[in-house]
Amino acid sequence: AQSVSQHNHHVILSEAASLELGCNYSYGGTVNLFWYVQYPGQHLQLLLKYFSGDPLVKGIKGFEAEFIKSKFSFNLRKPSVQWSDTAEYFCAVSYTGGFKTIFGAGTRLFVKA
Amino acid sequence: DTGVSQDPRHKITKRGQNVTFRCDPISEHNRLYWYRQTLGQGPEFLTYFQNEAQLEKSRLLSDRFSAERPKGSFSTLEIQRTEQGDSAMYLCASSLENYGYTFGSGTRLTVV
Repeated sequence: AQSVSQHNHHVILSEAASLELGCNYSYGGTVNLFWYVQYPGQHLQLLLKYFSGDPLVKGIKGFEAEFIKSKFSFNLRKPSVQWSDTAEYFCAVSYTGGFKTIFGAGTRLFVKA
Repeated sequence: DTGVSQDPRHKITKRGQNVTFRCDPISEHNRLYWYRQTLGQGPEFLTYFQNEAQLEKSRLLSDRFSAERPKGSFSTLEIQRTEQGDSAMYLCASSLENYGYTFGSGTRLTVV
């Protein structure tokens, strides 16, 4: 079955630390990849997406993600986190020819001020 | 663009009752999705509409669940004979083709 695996359920960092959240998806052909973020008390929103082309994708608020096809991975990175990055982050994948997007279980990030 | 609206925000119902949720997508979006999310999990796909046509429905859904999108505008999700296991956050999302979802704030259902 198609699935998305996020490596960490909870991550705690201090401000200015670097962030990398792991994401792997199961093989199923050509994919579109997404990261969504949910800030406390807010709804899910799109952080960045990859469809094709440059495997290094830049999103909002200084986030970026790298698609490594050989590893079926789409890890999220940020060089220096801020307290305001405290949120839950969801990796998601859709497969070409399919309609739905499949989400990982999420990673809760807490940034200490 | 007023975003995706969901109503109600919260619903508490007794086991065995029927409930209906509404979703108003972004008007320019042709795709509408329903997802369910429980604590500690990511959103789980329920069903998908392209315009007014329901093109995919999760095999996880029982026959107690039904969704409609008349005229390709708003959508409703009905759960009949609710069970405690139906307690969850029900999320609606819309998109233009597959360019990424815009989510609503969700309807939190509690079955007592």
